[in-house]
Amino acid sequence: KAGVTQTPRYLIKTRGQQVTLSCSPISGHRSVSWYQQTPGQGLQFLFEYFSETQRNKGNFPGRFSGRQFSNSRSEMNVSTLELGDSALYLCASRTELTDTQYFGPGTRLTVL
Amino acid sequence: AQSVTQLDSQVPVFEEAPVELRCNYSSSVSVYLFWYVQYPNQGLQLLLKYLSGSTLVKGINGFEAEFNKSQTSFHLRKPSVHISDTAEYFCAVRRRGSQGNLIFGKGTKLSVKP
Repeated sequence: KAGVTQTPRYLIKTRGQQVTLSCSPISGHRSVSWYQQTPGQGLQFLFEYFSETQRNKGNFPGRFSGRQFSNSRSEMNVSTLELGDSALYLCASRTELTDTQYFGPGTRLTVL
Repeated sequence: AQSVTQLDSQVPVFEEAPVELRCNYSSSVSVYLFWYVQYPNQGLQLLLKYLSGSTLVKGINGFEAEFNKSQTSFHLRKPSVHISDTAEYFCAVRRRGSQGNLIFGKGTKLSVKP
């Protein structure tokens, strides 16, 4: 079974721009979560989607948003990019039958 | 709320030596416990998990961890490490139930020297 895939793997943007990251979960997984990883703050939870509905949200500003489609694929969007948004963005999926999240390889976002 | 403390930010060790990476957690509710490994420029790979049952959990690559409820700890161990175990290791908790996100520790960088 294919793992979690994320596209693109690398992105370079400038301040003020917006960006959209994509995540395809493992087949059959309906829950998708997003995490931000930075050297200073470590791994922080952004939000979780299940059946196209956001059911959990971390402590991030409204510039960070996401959505989930009917095929469980998810996107996250960051508007008005700031230098501090430079990070590795990780997506994870799981089923409701297990309590284990499986992570994708991440998207490395650099904001100049 | 839950929190996770990984007591060592860096652990250097020689090849074939044993290693223990320490993790303590705090939670007012029952939790699940996880260890993930991250190799350079990669995502997180699940090493092992404790959901219920036996407190000694065996994972991939020869790693094991023991859940100690009284000490609220979930230390990761390996009896003999290899160069290829050099990576960053993250301990995480998630509250029991269908919802809830992972709360991660700050990570421990394991450096295996020849």
